[in-house]
This record gives sequence, structure tokens and C-alpha cells, in this order.
Amino acid sequence: DVKVTQSSRYLVKRTGEKVFLECVQDMDHENMFWYRQDPGLGLRLIYFSYDVKMKEKGDIPEGYSVSREKKERFSLILESASTNQTSMYLCASSFYRDNIQYFGAGTRLSVL
Amino acid sequence: SQQGEEDPQALSIQEGENATMNCSYKTSINNLQWYRQNSGRGLVHLILIRSNEREKHSGRLRVTLDTSKKSSSLLITASRAADTASYFCATDFGNEKLTFGTGTRLTIIP
Repeated sequence: DVKVTQSSRYLVKRTGEKVFLECVQDMDHENMFWYRQDPGLGLRLIYFSYDVKMKEKGDIPEGYSVSREKKERFSLILESASTNQTSMYLCASSFYRDNIQYFGAGTRLSVL
Repeated sequence: SQQGEEDPQALSIQEGENATMNCSYKTSINNLQWYRQNSGRGLVHLILIRSNEREKHSGRLRVTLDTSKKSSSLLITASRAADTASYFCATDFGNEKLTFGTGTRLTIIP
């Protein structure tokens, strides 16, 4: 079975802190994604990576950056956390040819 | 926005009944997928239907696709309490990304 692992299930940070969310997949997928999920808004794509060191902005990249130094790992970085970044963050991965996405369990981030 | 929209937003039915939820989208697609999300967890892929297919089955799931109306439906037959979850459609426009709808929250009443 494909496994996508997010480093934390729950995280509490203070405004202005630098926050790292880590995601690791074990299926050699080319594509990796970061989404945030908010009530009534569904899933919104923050960033997408289709290869090592390659990244593409999604629909809401402002306030976020990403890093993909190894194929299996995709990190989301909040440079200076703000309260409006309190949300559920979901990581996913997929093969390029069928685009079926496999999700991690999610990280619920609270910024106080 | 190209986001798909599910209908209804919420649905409550008795165990054993069938549940139908719908998805509409705005532009041509390569395929459409349905995912389930249990409360507070990640999404799980259920089924994929390609743009040249009209109907697909997987166990108690039946998905239809009408590209002329830009809509899809997911039918869950003989519902069980374990089917309680949120269901999302996701459209693939051929750019290696998916666009997710806002979901239908399904509650199965025992």
C-alpha cells in the first residue's frame, strides 16, 4: 500500500514563527502536493512539485514556500506564521500518468 | 474558478438506503475522480472515470459521467454506518493537478 506520512497530526505555533510541515511518500511518485482545507472552501492547492527541485504555485501560494530536495520528501514552509494560516494541511502524491492522489492523514495547525 | 461543486452539501439517510451525490464542473476534463474523507483524516481515492466513459462500478459504488452536461454522480447502494464521511469529486484537466469540489457530508443513521 502507498504510504504518505505527515510529520505531525497537530501543531500549535505562535504568530511570526517559522513553521515546517514535512511529508514523505514511499511509492516513488513523481508528483507531490500541499493543500489546505477550510470549512466551506474545500481543498485548495498551495504548491505542487512534479520532480526533485521543481515546484509550481497553486491557487493560494502567498505566505508559503516549499522544498523538494529528495523525491520522497516535500516540505511546506510558513516563513512567518499568521493566524489566518490556521487550517488543516494535507499532503498528497501521485504518479504522473494516472494522477490518482494518495493523501497523508493531515496536520491540523493552529497559529495563536 | 474551475472548482467542481457537489450537491447536496449535506445528506442524511437511513442505513440500508441508497445515497446519491452530484458534481458539476465548468470546463472539459480528462477524467473525474471521487474521494472519501473520514472526519479529521486525509482523503482516500474511491473511483476514477475517464471522459470517454459513461458509467463505472466498484463494489457498492456506481459513478456516472455526462460530459455534455458537465456533471457526474456517485451512488452508494445499501449504505452502512461506515459510509458516514465527506465525499469529494475532483476534476483532472490534464495538467497533472486535480481540482477538488467543496464536498458532500454524508451521514448514515443506524
